[in-house]
Amino acid sequence: DAKTTQPNSMESNEEEPVHLPCNHSTISGTDYIHWYRQLPSQGPEYVIHGLTSNVNNRMASLAIAEDRKSSTLILHRATLRDAAVYYCILRDDAGGTSYGKLTFGQGTILTVHP
Amino acid sequence: NAGVTQTPKFQVLKTGQSMTLQCAQDMNHEYMSWYRQDPGMGLRLIHYSVGAGITDQGEVPNGYNVSRSTTEDFPLRLLSAAPSQTSVYFCASSYSPGSNEQYFGPGTRLTVT
Repeated sequence: DAKTTQPNSMESNEEEPVHLPCNHSTISGTDYIHWYRQLPSQGPEYVIHGLTSNVNNRMASLAIAEDRKSSTLILHRATLRDAAVYYCILRDDAGGTSYGKLTFGQGTILTVHP
Repeated sequence: NAGVTQTPKFQVLKTGQSMTLQCAQDMNHEYMSWYRQDPGMGLRLIHYSVGAGITDQGEVPNGYNVSRSTTEDFPLRLLSAAPSQTSVYFCASSYSPGSNEQYFGPGTRLTVT
């Protein structure tokens, strides 16, 4: 399975943008890049996903490098509610044996200061 | 919609006891899965199901059984609890394996003494 590498932790101030990086140098052509986050004492929740093009939704933006070996999750204005563990996950959507499975790493702990 | 619900929220077992963790969803999702999360680690897949009557093993299936008799329910059974099964267990569901978003339940915190 393709692996991802994320910093263990990052800090931000409230209302400032946050850029959370993820390296995935062994990504395959059928791997989608998914981001989930886990707020304290809760289950993970979906944030955003993409394949090649940059993506935006109401929660965040996802910037994907042209060679797809890295990506960045962008929170445009961090709030205290965004303090969570953020997971960058490669998911094989080609229909093989790993189809649909999410493989979580340790993620990045984001701390947001008031 | 209640989404994905899990019961109980907390459970303490003695070594060797058995129990069933319940998971239900009311979104008519075909794909359901169980994960465990140990302290300071990401989630690991235990078992999954692509529809009623169909289950398969994930990354860490030993010591756990599942069945899927209805679309809504996906219980996880611990046959003979061991201290190594102390963990937080999360159930997830999505419309299909390839759905963009999987929905996770609030978790069950299990301690085995």
